[in-house]
Amino acid sequence: AQTVTQSQPEMSVQEAETVTLSCTYDTSESNYYLFWYKQPPSRQMILVIRQEAYKQQNATENRFSVNFQKAAKSFSLKISDSQLGDTAMYFCAFMQYNTDKLIFGTGTRLQVFP
Amino acid sequence: ETGVTQSPTHLIKTRGQQVTLRCSSQSGHNTVSWYQQALGQGPQFIFQYYREEENGRGNFPPRFSGLQFPNYSSELNVNALELDDSALYLCASSLWDTDNEQFFGPGTRLTVL
Repeated sequence: AQTVTQSQPEMSVQEAETVTLSCTYDTSESNYYLFWYKQPPSRQMILVIRQEAYKQQNATENRFSVNFQKAAKSFSLKISDSQLGDTAMYFCAFMQYNTDKLIFGTGTRLQVFP
Repeated sequence: ETGVTQSPTHLIKTRGQQVTLRCSSQSGHNTVSWYQQALGQGPQFIFQYYREEENGRGNFPPRFSGLQFPNYSSELNVNALELDDSALYLCASSLWDTDNEQFFGPGTRLTVL
């Protein structure tokens, strides 16, 4: 069975600074996707960034980038130039190919301070 | 393009009662997944429906059941409610076997007293 672990329950960062959120996962599968989702307070879960396991290049979406280490089963999220609107719960998630089923970690609460 | 919607927003029930939660999927999507998110936890997969058939189930008892309709909207039914069923229930829609991106609804907050 696949598992996702987020070891940082809470993080804080000052506006305009950079923060990295950690995620590790366990699977015996070779084909899968990894995701970071953002859940702002009392708002909908939205996709931040996605990585396909067969791609060696790390995904990037504007200020968000990942460090995907397949052998180490590590998938961290780096947020550059942090903004107040980045304050949210961040969930790392795993999806095996052809399942459309997400397995989530327990989340990291990120607080961005002015 | 209409996003994923869920109803009701909030619901209070007592132990032993039954509840039905509803989800309208995003236009063009044919797959609906349901997740339970307990307070302070990550979402847990309940089950998934694809073209009106259950297409995978998580570790939830049979009193959690669902339906998907021809228009791809979906219902989650929970019988014999227990206190531990109190959670945020999230619905997510997607287009099967494409880019696998799931679009989430705002959720239904269920409180069982």
